[in-house]
This record gives sequence, structure tokens and C-alpha cells, in this order.
Amino acid sequence: DGGITQSPKYLFRKEGQNVTLSCEQNLNHDAMYWYRQDPGQGLRLIYYSQIVNDFQKGDIAEGYSVSREKKESFPLTVTSAQKNPTAFYLCASSLGTSGAYNEQFFGPGTRLTVL
Amino acid sequence: GENVEQHPSTLSVQEGDSAVIKCTYSDSASNYFPWYKQELGKRPQLIIDIRSNVGEKKDQRIAVTLNKTAKHFSLHITETQPEDSAVYFCAADDSWGKFQFGAGTQVVVTP
Repeated sequence: DGGITQSPKYLFRKEGQNVTLSCEQNLNHDAMYWYRQDPGQGLRLIYYSQIVNDFQKGDIAEGYSVSREKKESFPLTVTSAQKNPTAFYLCASSLGTSGAYNEQFFGPGTRLTVL
Repeated sequence: GENVEQHPSTLSVQEGDSAVIKCTYSDSASNYFPWYKQELGKRPQLIIDIRSNVGEKKDQRIAVTLNKTAKHFSLHITETQPEDSAVYFCAADDSWGKFQFGAGTQVVVTP
């Protein structure tokens, strides 16, 4: 998991603004994921990408967008349409999504606060 | 889709005692069941995992058991120590390789 980085560590957003969270990995993993974690709750999947130039919605995709133009990068944009964006955002990656390759490794997270 | 339930939500144990966390899942296609430990403000760290072709796996003081027929799996921590205090999450994969996580168990080990 040391090969996954997220920036920034803390992010403050005013209402109505879009913000982009960065996630980079140097593990040569094909699959990448974005999760949202709220206090006292588990991880909920926002978007995932099994391969470069492709991504799929997770359970709570509304108000978020992603891109996967490079294998090592999977940025998440939190748009103004996301009504309650204050949360801890975690990025993860895995070698693949099937068989012995789906073990996920997490980045250190970005804590987003809406002012 | 997959639904994972985790119990208990909080668990207080005396140092040296054992801790057990249980999870149930709904998708019979699930084959991979990881357990993560998360300390406050940190990333989840994989501590042990089990695949559906195995019934039990052990790594020092931690073990995981899987009952595919009943669709439940459990984490066992023996000889608990204060550094075991954290939130523990179970997860199960679905047929697309995505994970569904349980809601987490806050474990507190008191000296």
C-alpha cells in the first residue's frame, strides 16, 4: 500500500465549488477504486475502473465524476451536485478484479470538509 | 447485489482475552473475504484474508474461518493486546470483483 498516494491530505471546499482529489499508484495495478467513509460507517464504493479508459459507477456515484486516462492515475471530482460531501475519501487499487488478483491496497486518504 | 452484515459494532475485551467478529454475506458467488484493520485517521490495512476453497486460515494471533454453506465468516484474535485496538472491517467480493464492506467493529482492548 506504500505505492498508492493521495493528495491533498486535507481539503476544504466552499459550497458550490467542484474539487478534485488525486490518486496515483506505481504498483502497475489495472484496477482502481474510490470509496467514501463517513464516521462510524463502512466504506461505500463511489466509482471503480478495471482498466485504463474505462470506469463504472459504484453504489453512490451521484455528484461525483472520475477519469482514467493513465493506468497510474484515477482522479475523483466532487461536484457541487454532491449535497453532503464532507467525508474521508479513500482510493484503492488491485492487480485485477478476479481470481487471485483482487486484493485491494489503500491510499492514505483525503479528508474533505465543506465550509 | 452483495450485502455484508457485521457484528458486533463495538467490542470491549480485557487484555489477553480473545475477540471474535462475525460477518454474513448474501451473494453465493462471493469467493474472497478480506479483513482490514483501520486505526483512527489512517488507511485500512489488510490483516488476513480467506478464499472460498479454504475453511480456515491462521496467522500468528489472528485467524479467519469461513462457512460457505451458511454464508458467514469470522475473525478471531487471541491474546489481545492494546495495539489491537482499532476498527475492523470485513468484506466480500462479488462476481465483478468489487468489494462490499461491513459497517465495522470498534475493538477496545483494556489493560
